[in-house]
Amino acid sequence: QKEVEQNSGPLSVPEGAIASLNCTYSDRGSQSFFWYRQYSGKSPELIMSIYSNGDKEDGRFTAQLNKASQYVSLLIRDSQPSDSATYLCAVRGGGYNKLIFGAGTRLAVHP
Amino acid sequence: DTAVSQTPKYLVTQMGNDKSIKCEQNLGHDTMYWYKQDSKKFLKIMFSYNNKELIINETVPNRFSPKSPDKAHLNLHINSLELGDSAVYFCASSQDNRDPPLFGPGTRLTVL
Repeated sequence: QKEVEQNSGPLSVPEGAIASLNCTYSDRGSQSFFWYRQYSGKSPELIMSIYSNGDKEDGRFTAQLNKASQYVSLLIRDSQPSDSATYLCAVRGGGYNKLIFGAGTRLAVHP
Repeated sequence: DTAVSQTPKYLVTQMGNDKSIKCEQNLGHDTMYWYKQDSKKFLKIMFSYNNKELIINETVPNRFSPKSPDKAHLNLHINSLELGDSAVYFCASSQDNRDPPLFGPGTRLTVL
């Protein structure tokens, strides 16, 4: 079992819709959870951090965490073509607080 | 600009050569990292340093040797390059080993 799993996509949504990106993790002791966005040919960019169960909202982005189910998600409201990118879920925990990345979900927002 | 910078941006070399990638951060962060992103875009940690001390050393061939002369710099030297080393190498830093890392622009290494 991979430590952090994401559906590779592509996830295709129309402009203005809600994009829902999901991630599961295997280490029950994980404490910190992050979403990064990576445009093609660019470096990953942090867009959300979440540390406790529930929802955290920042603009059009909402991160959701359920530690009991070992599940973290990212919702993007009013999706724009500029949101088209690969979204990487990252989970920190275990020895030395190692940050483990999922393989990423490619999101395509079409006009 | 406050950032993580790395040089070179592109590196094309022959199998068997030795090459280095340099990384610097001017953010005053204590922790620095090297990540490798392969052709399938999977981002995997290679090394992590905290205040010049190696704290994470993943299962990486010993042809890869990181060096941290001070806490603002973390360089990566690769000996006897192989075709499978072709990837994008990202340097990153964070305030400490609990914060999320900020990534540099990446170095695309191509081994011919």
